Amino acid sequence: DAMVIQNPRYQVTQFGKPVTLSCSQTLNHNVMYWYQQKSSQAPKLLFHYYDKDFNNEADTPDNFQSRRPNTSFCFLDIRSPGLGDAAMYLCATSRDRRTGRLNEQFFGPGTRLTVL
Amino acid sequence: GQNIDQPTEMTATEGAIVQINCTYQTSGFNGLFWYQQHAGEAPTFLSYNVLDGLEEKGRFSSFLSRSKGYSYLLLKELQMKDSASYLCAVLRGKAAGNKLTFGGGTRVLVKP
Repeated sequence: DAMVIQNPRYQVTQFGKPVTLSCSQTLNHNVMYWYQQKSSQAPKLLFHYYDKDFNNEADTPDNFQSRRPNTSFCFLDIRSPGLGDAAMYLCATSRDRRTGRLNEQFFGPGTRLTVL
Repeated sequence: GQNIDQPTEMTATEGAIVQINCTYQTSGFNGLFWYQQHAGEAPTFLSYNVLDGLEEKGRFSSFLSRSKGYSYLLLKELQMKDSASYLCAVLRGKAAGNKLTFGGGTRVLVKP
């Protein structure tokens, strides 16, 4: 089945130790998104790629970086995780269309990050 | 700026009906999505409205009024498995990067 895959599902890191979260997709969608979701809160968009064009949200901390080496893969790098970065990180994809439901975003299962 | 409001929590009985309201203020409106999210899992698509009116899909229906900046999700014949958070999300068009802005979610608890 075509899908969005995130690895690992659970990640534990130490305060200040760099960590990378992975996302891959078999949908061949050209837009990929990273969201941060803290407990009982809405997903918050960190950045997205439109093909190889990187779009950062204005309030995304510099501590968060991303790479998209090809259509299928996208990575979230947290350079120096703090306790406040503990959250669920959701990857999503969409096919670019001007209108309509085809803008639907498909979400991966998420990676829950714990910072010790 | 953008603002999306929905109630924090609702409780209902199995077999009953619940209506979750969502109001929004945004520019570049290109549709409104409802997602269901079970605890610890990813959001899954429920419905999409871009024109005014009611969209019905089985036990779930969604309504949109663009002039009022208002939508609701109607859940009928509630089942225990419907206990989840329901996220209202507004899509802004390509000029705004095809971005989804989520409301805070409404946690629905279905009781026997």
